Amino acid sequence: EIVMTQSPATLSVSPGERATLSCRASQSIDSNLAWYQQKPGQAPRPLIYGASARATGIPARFSGSGSGTEFTLTISSLQSEDCAVYYCQHYHNWPRTFGQGTKVEIK
Amino acid sequence: QITLKESGPTLVKPTQTLTLTCTFSGFSLNANWEAVGWFRQPPGKALEWLALIYWNNEKRYSPSLTSRLSITKDASKNQVVLTMTNMDPVDTATFYCAHRMRYCTPTICHKFFDYWGQGTLVAVSS
Repeated sequence: EIVMTQSPATLSVSPGERATLSCRASQSIDSNLAWYQQKPGQAPRPLIYGASARATGIPARFSGSGSGTEFTLTISSLQSEDCAVYYCQHYHNWPRTFGQGTKVEIK
Repeated sequence: QITLKESGPTLVKPTQTLTLTCTFSGFSLNANWEAVGWFRQPPGKALEWLALIYWNNEKRYSPSLTSRLSITKDASKNQVVLTMTNMDPVDTATFYCAHRMRYCTPTICHKFFDYWGQGTLVAVSS
């Protein structure tokens, strides 16, 4: 089973500043990675697939990068509505696994 | 437009079997490459993938839970059913179903979950 490790656990960022979230896979997953955003009381929402492609309707301030074992989600200019928990998930093989999440909050 | 909705009991007793139904619209599980997955999320904790069923009835299960899980489909009713046996209080969680998107380029197929149900909270308590 591939273990996904996210850091940091919590990220405090001022409005308009950049937020950088990390996700590491325990073995190479090529670019088979998705990022999801989850707000309190809501279902996850896909942001990024293929490590760097934005899902439908996702604002351009969200970007993904990386391949192999190291991945990054960047929010270029944090908005108040971006406060949420962000999860990475691989789809390289079975079982699909998620990271433990990074909570993004406004400083 | 794709929508999914989970339904089932909100409370089960320890050792009982949980049965959840995902009712969906906007796609057909008779169509090639379609798939639906189930997930759970204990309160305040991370998401966990549980099971997935394909259009051709092929199934995948989380190895840690495979002995307790069963996933089935009724494509004519646009439903996918998940059963989990021998429920324990640690299984208390919000359960989600989701549509598996498959998008292929000449070099790679991306398979992520693009539409999710609202989730249903299931508590396990005597």
